[in-house]
Amino acid sequence: EVQLVESGGGLVQPGESLRLSCEASGFSFDFFWMTWVRQAPGKGLEWVATIKQDGSETYYVDSVKGRFTISRDNAKKSLFLQMNSLRAEDRAVYYCAKDVSVAGIPYWYFDLWGRGSLVTVSS
Amino acid sequence: AVQLTQSPSSLSASVGERVIITCRASQDITTALAWYQQKPGKAPKLLIFDASRLENGVPSRFSGTGSGTDFTLTISGLQPEDCASYSCQQFKTYPCTFGQGTKVEIK
Repeated sequence: EVQLVESGGGLVQPGESLRLSCEASGFSFDFFWMTWVRQAPGKGLEWVATIKQDGSETYYVDSVKGRFTISRDNAKKSLFLQMNSLRAEDRAVYYCAKDVSVAGIPYWYFDLWGRGSLVTVSS
Repeated sequence: AVQLTQSPSSLSASVGERVIITCRASQDITTALAWYQQKPGKAPKLLIFDASRLENGVPSRFSGTGSGTDFTLTISGLQPEDCASYSCQQFKTYPCTFGQGTKVEIK
């Protein structure tokens, strides 16, 4: 089955860290750019970070630069998001998403999503 | 960043009715627009890309139009399973951005 499954969310205190994982199945994971998108309660979707097929290029929304790191393990068909120095405003459901990626080029829209993993930051 | 403004923020319609959701961009994005459907607890689903191209497997009652700054998503003949939130996304300029979403309910 073609799917993405996120894990690793939870409740942490401000300033703490959390690592999200996303396991892919049913498609050639290493062919595609991959992305994390989040949605805060009652808000719209927000792009967070994107990584190239081989991990050599990464992109981040300004609000997480220097705090979050996107990475991948193609052998394990897995995507990761290391989140450090978490803030209350990082509270959201985090989705893993597959970029359309035609001929190795990112198209920056997403044709497969996971169900999301909830991150809560509260003291 | 390009801002996308959707309207309405929510709507209620009867089964079989035509539903129209609009998405306005703060600058010209040509046809670099996608629409997604979100149901609670489920993975978001791509419905339309390039403003008007239907993703494989999406029912033909969904359609998209527009270019430049003004776009619409139309559901021709609302079905109970269409109860969801719908979001537009532009991918013309970096960073890609999303609208705030439109919640569709069944009367």
